[in-house]
Amino acid sequence: DTGVSQDPRHKITKRGQNVTFRCDPISEHNRLYWYRQTLGQGPEFLTYFQNEAQLEKSRLLSDRFSAERPKGSFSTLEIQRTEQGDSAMYLCASSLAEGMNTEAFFGQGTRLTVV
Amino acid sequence: GENVEQHPSTLSVQEGDSAVIKCTYSDSASNYFPWYKQELGKGPQLIIDIRSNVGEKKDQRIAVTLNKTAKHFSLHITETQPEDSAVYFCAASGAGGADGLTFGKGTHLIIQP
Repeated sequence: DTGVSQDPRHKITKRGQNVTFRCDPISEHNRLYWYRQTLGQGPEFLTYFQNEAQLEKSRLLSDRFSAERPKGSFSTLEIQRTEQGDSAMYLCASSLAEGMNTEAFFGQGTRLTVV
Repeated sequence: GENVEQHPSTLSVQEGDSAVIKCTYSDSASNYFPWYKQELGKGPQLIIDIRSNVGEKKDQRIAVTLNKTAKHFSLHITETQPEDSAVYFCAASGAGGADGLTFGKGTHLIIQP
């Protein structure tokens, strides 16, 4: 396993269009996280899953955003009716939340540009 | 919610010198403090972390210290090398890191040859 994989790496879309990103976590990891990172800032937490259950959502996750992890493996993040303010790097991370071993490992991210 | 402040925003040091980056956090319930290194166009890479039951942790040239009373923690890099140039982020979390992380705004570390 080579780590957390995200697809696509880059996405350019027109305002108002819908986009979907995919994240494949490290295979044995039970927790999966989505973050958003804008230029010059640290990543901001959006949501996370424990297996297939979505356990927490940030207030940053407006009703235009939806995330799924249907079989407890890969996850998708969809943004509907994209706005220019959605332009950012979307990062996925995974961890094995067992005992004290909870280090989160990040993927390379999907850079979204809304024009 | 948790708030993490990180300083400085930019740090330039001569190759071979030491670099120190400092962070403070607001939530006394936080108990897990990782540090990430991010290179241009890549995702953050975990370089070291510390939990609230210890005050210091070291891994080769990198060390992290934690002062729970003052709610601050620091990253120390000794004998800096050109490949240490990157943006470094501190973060904090409750639940031992199992929940989402709150990140600082990052420090751009520049190693001058």
